Amino acid sequence: AQSVTQLGSHVSVSEGALVLLRCNYSSSVPPYLFWYVQYPNQGLQLLLKYTSAATLVKGINGFEAEFKKSETSFHLTKPSAHMSDAAEYFCAVRPGITGGGNKLTFGTGTQLKVEL
Amino acid sequence: DVKVTQSSRYLVKRTGEKVFLECVQDMDHENMFWYRQDPGLGLRLIYFSYDVKMKEKGDIPEGYSVSREKKERFSLILESASTNQTSMYLCASTPRGAGNIQYFGAGTRLSVL
Repeated sequence: AQSVTQLGSHVSVSEGALVLLRCNYSSSVPPYLFWYVQYPNQGLQLLLKYTSAATLVKGINGFEAEFKKSETSFHLTKPSAHMSDAAEYFCAVRPGITGGGNKLTFGTGTQLKVEL
Repeated sequence: DVKVTQSSRYLVKRTGEKVFLECVQDMDHENMFWYRQDPGLGLRLIYFSYDVKMKEKGDIPEGYSVSREKKERFSLILESASTNQTSMYLCASTPRGAGNIQYFGAGTRLSVL
């Protein structure tokens, strides 16, 4: 079974500051990992995904994440926060094997607030 | 662009009513999912379907059922709505393949009074 832990349900940064959202996973097999973003009153959209290729993954809107197997982490970063980044962010994991219908296990989410 | 459409953005129902939430995708995806989203709990999987007429329970199926008569449509049914089913419901779809992403609808916010 797999699980995801997102440390910090709320994170606040100043505009222009570094964004760091933490995600640790547990998986009995090599995982596929995802970051999704949810803007107010919308569904989730994919930011980036890791599927066992390069460990540093670049996504949309200047976000990136690094897969660290030794730390079982997949933290999301952005060098300079923008007001439009204010949203809720979800980390998700699925086993990197076929079958299972592409089921994802989601973390509990991190609400990012960006202040002037 | 992949489009996942949920029939209602907001619904208000009374306790004991039978409630249908509809989801349609236009990309011929095999897999479809229903989640509920609650503050502090993230997304929890209710049911998913990997083919027409096929369904599997997710993590929290109690009080819910589903129907998938056509590939593009996946319905979530609350047989007798209760106040603890007040939540945001999200539908998603994905093609077969381990690395494929899930595409989400905009969500249905259901209030059961």
